[in-house]
Amino acid sequence: DAGVTQSPTHLIKTRGQQVTLRCSPKSGHDTVSWYQQALGQGPQFIFQYYEEEERQRGNFPDRFSGHQFPNYSSELNVNALLLGDSALYLCASRLTGLIYGYTFGSGTRLTVV
Amino acid sequence: GNSVTQMEGPVTLSEEAFLTINCTYTATGYPSLFWYVQYPGEGLQLLLKATKADDKGSNKGFEATYRKETTSFHLEKGSVQVSDSAVYFCALEGDSGGSNYKLTFGKGTLLTVNP
Repeated sequence: DAGVTQSPTHLIKTRGQQVTLRCSPKSGHDTVSWYQQALGQGPQFIFQYYEEEERQRGNFPDRFSGHQFPNYSSELNVNALLLGDSALYLCASRLTGLIYGYTFGSGTRLTVV
Repeated sequence: GNSVTQMEGPVTLSEEAFLTINCTYTATGYPSLFWYVQYPGEGLQLLLKATKADDKGSNKGFEATYRKETTSFHLEKGSVQVSDSAVYFCALEGDSGGSNYKLTFGKGTLLTVNP
């Protein structure tokens, strides 16, 4: 049973560019959340998707946007990249209603130069 | 809002030593509490969880007890191994605004176990 799959694993972008990160949730999971983990820090919640809608959002600017597809997969888009956006981006999925904690992917390491 | 505070690292121990990583939290209501582990270059793995007061989560020799009176969820292991070297994150699930499923993490504690 595949867990959470994220692509790409590594990415280098230039300031001002746009980036799209992708996530396939664990089989059977319907809720996807995205987290940003800066070096040496704990993950910070970006937003959560359920039933193709953004349900919650953390303290991130509108440059960060997302989408969830009917098959529950999700994308994270970041526009006008800043150097400070360099981080590990983690996708996590769960089945709504069960308190088992999220299953995390291995992340996408984004470097903005 | 919710917050998690965990002891600053790094923590360096010898193999077979006793481990404690302190974690305290601030939240309204009754959050669920978790410990996640992150090995180098990898994502987060759920280590253990507790969903109500006095619950004890345990896995792979690690334990943590949900103490509502002290708002704590300290991680312990009686005898650490080199393979336990990783970053450990304490987290809670819940939101003072009534929404749920959002995880709030501590900053993480780097554990290094030497042979």
